[in-house]
Amino acid sequence: DGGITQSPKYLFRKEGQNVTLSCEQNLNHDAMYWYRQDPGQGLRLIYYSQIVNDFQKGDIAEGYSVSREKKESFPLTVTSAQKNPTAFYLCASSFRTGVGNQPQHFGDGTRLSIL
Amino acid sequence: SQQGEEDPQALSIQEGENATMNCSYKTSINNLQWYRQNSGRGLVHLILIRSNEREKHSGRLRVTLDTSKKSSSLLITASRAADTASYFCATDATDRGSTLGRLYFGRGTQLTVWP
Repeated sequence: DGGITQSPKYLFRKEGQNVTLSCEQNLNHDAMYWYRQDPGQGLRLIYYSQIVNDFQKGDIAEGYSVSREKKESFPLTVTSAQKNPTAFYLCASSFRTGVGNQPQHFGDGTRLSIL
Repeated sequence: SQQGEEDPQALSIQEGENATMNCSYKTSINNLQWYRQNSGRGLVHLILIRSNEREKHSGRLRVTLDTSKKSSSLLITASRAADTASYFCATDATDRGSTLGRLYFGRGTQLTVWP
């Protein structure tokens, strides 16, 4: 079955620690995205990548980093520079944008909390 | 901000009633999409309507788009308790007709359907 998998489901970060959230897809999608969702809020875009080895900052990239070495994978690192990392993180993928954005498929999220 | 805004923020109805949610946005688009999110889960794509379309149906869902008013509505007919979820609209953004490769999500409407 094709899909997008995020792991872990729950993650705890200590002060000054970097943590990495995993996102893998087997949908043969070119584009991948990371969003942050705070309680009662919409989705805010952190980073996105349209092709391998290329990515762009979204609206709230500070304190986060990504890599796109493989088409299937788009890990997100939450660095110690991100002072308020507690949130629900969602990864998504889609076919590459043509005329208008394609529907995005989402994973089931990683909930990150501070210890 | 390009972000779409849903209205109302929360909607509570009885099973069997219709639910209408609205979305407004600010700039030109190629398409507008609606997503659903069950509590603690990722988003699921419901329907996409292109800028040259005025209405689209999918099962119990009906979406309209008025580009002159920069607004869209999502109607769920004969609601069921299982329709309880948050609903988000998402717009792409265009720069002289070509998409910028990302979506802008609103804050969502929380729909509760009582049995």
